[in-house]
Amino acid sequence: ETGVTQSPTHLIKTRGQQVTLRCSSQSGHNTVSWYQQALGQGPQFIFQYYREEENGRGNFPPRFSGLQFPNYSSELNVNALELDDSALYLCASSLDGLAGVADTQYFGPGTRLTVL
Amino acid sequence: SQKIEQNSEALNIQEGKTATLTCNYTNYSPAYLQWYRQDPGRGPVFLLLIRENEKEKRKERLKVTFDTTLKQSLFHITASQPADSATYLCALVRSGNTPLVFGKGTRLSVIA
Repeated sequence: ETGVTQSPTHLIKTRGQQVTLRCSSQSGHNTVSWYQQALGQGPQFIFQYYREEENGRGNFPPRFSGLQFPNYSSELNVNALELDDSALYLCASSLDGLAGVADTQYFGPGTRLTVL
Repeated sequence: SQKIEQNSEALNIQEGKTATLTCNYTNYSPAYLQWYRQDPGRGPVFLLLIRENEKEKRKERLKVTFDTTLKQSLFHITASQPADSATYLCALVRSGNTPLVFGKGTRLSVIA
């Protein structure tokens, strides 16, 4: 177990709705990254937060937003859901520093989002 | 455009044999390369990291090589076991301030 938890496990929404996914990082990990993993694909970087500030963003539209809190929890919010948003959403925490830089990322189990 | 390719979607091998998975990249100069294991319905689990100035890294039955001339990393599992069956992902980091970029993964099945 990585010590990173995510909720909910599964979620079904309809197109146009909004969704909030939650992640609890390992204690002491200042960095959290969010990824979208479509079926049969590798995870795609959405954005990263470092000490509650966005610290890097992938090729995702502004309707994907996030928050990080001082208690090592974080959220991913997606507005105006589209069918293509159906995927496994993963959060990963790391001790410090920037995404991927020789810094082990500990992934949560993911939230499976289905948009109908 | 930048591209990461893992040699095949699926690989089947007999128990006890060595599994070799390939990760090729183009239009990259990665500083680091990482390998992850992912089981169905679970998040990826970090296995090994290799830096651009390292040729080989080992951990128990795992071995990773990194050839920046060929733009290729090989991931080996020796004496493979059915419990090694999973999807294996390679991920590149270009530089200090860039995110992980993942390949699609190779689904390995070890048959008893």
